[in-house]
Amino acid sequence: SQTIHQWPATLVQPVGSPLSLECTVEGTSNPNLYWYRQAAGRGLQLLFYSVGIGQISSEVPQNLSASRPQDRQFILSSKKLLLSDSGFYLCAWTGPGDYGYTFGSGTRLTVV
Amino acid sequence: AQSVSQHNHHVILSEAASLELGCNYSYGGTVNLFWYVQYPGQHLQLLLKYFSGDPLVKGIKGFEAEFIKSKFSFNLRKPSVQWSDTAEYFCAVNSRASGGSYIPTFGRGTSLIVHP
Repeated sequence: SQTIHQWPATLVQPVGSPLSLECTVEGTSNPNLYWYRQAAGRGLQLLFYSVGIGQISSEVPQNLSASRPQDRQFILSSKKLLLSDSGFYLCAWTGPGDYGYTFGSGTRLTVV
Repeated sequence: AQSVSQHNHHVILSEAASLELGCNYSYGGTVNLFWYVQYPGQHLQLLLKYFSGDPLVKGIKGFEAEFIKSKFSFNLRKPSVQWSDTAEYFCAVNSRASGGSYIPTFGRGTSLIVHP
């Protein structure tokens, strides 16, 4: 069966430090992968999505970037974190046919 | 660009009351529609989905949703809520991009609190 792993679960980072959040999917190949940010009262904001290795689409210009070095690996990064980057980050995947998303457990990022 | 509106941001009900959460979207083309639920401290989970066919969709835990194309709506309903339905509910719409991939858009979410 397919599973999605996201880590770390919580992270406290100082302003100006780099960020790397990792997401991996098991049990499927060539998934569509997504990074979302969930803010209280503002729902889910799509940050990046990828339909294949090395293919990244950015939905919102910001201080973050994404990469897909392997088929089932999706990484969210920043070179220098801002206070406004604090939030809850979710990775998700879909297979072909768009049968709905499966979400990871999320990372609570606090920038101090 | 696609937009999804959830009209009720906070809903408070007593057990056994009926529930209807509104969801409207803007895209006029072919869409796939979803409702997700996030129970306190848990992952987002798929509640139900509509792709085609019968516009009345049955989901898990007694939830259903009705797709009304003319109104661009996909409202979520449950005849009798339980305390365990306390959660945040998200409506989502996928529209197909020119490259063939699906572009997802989520609503802001509705926080439902059910009092026992």
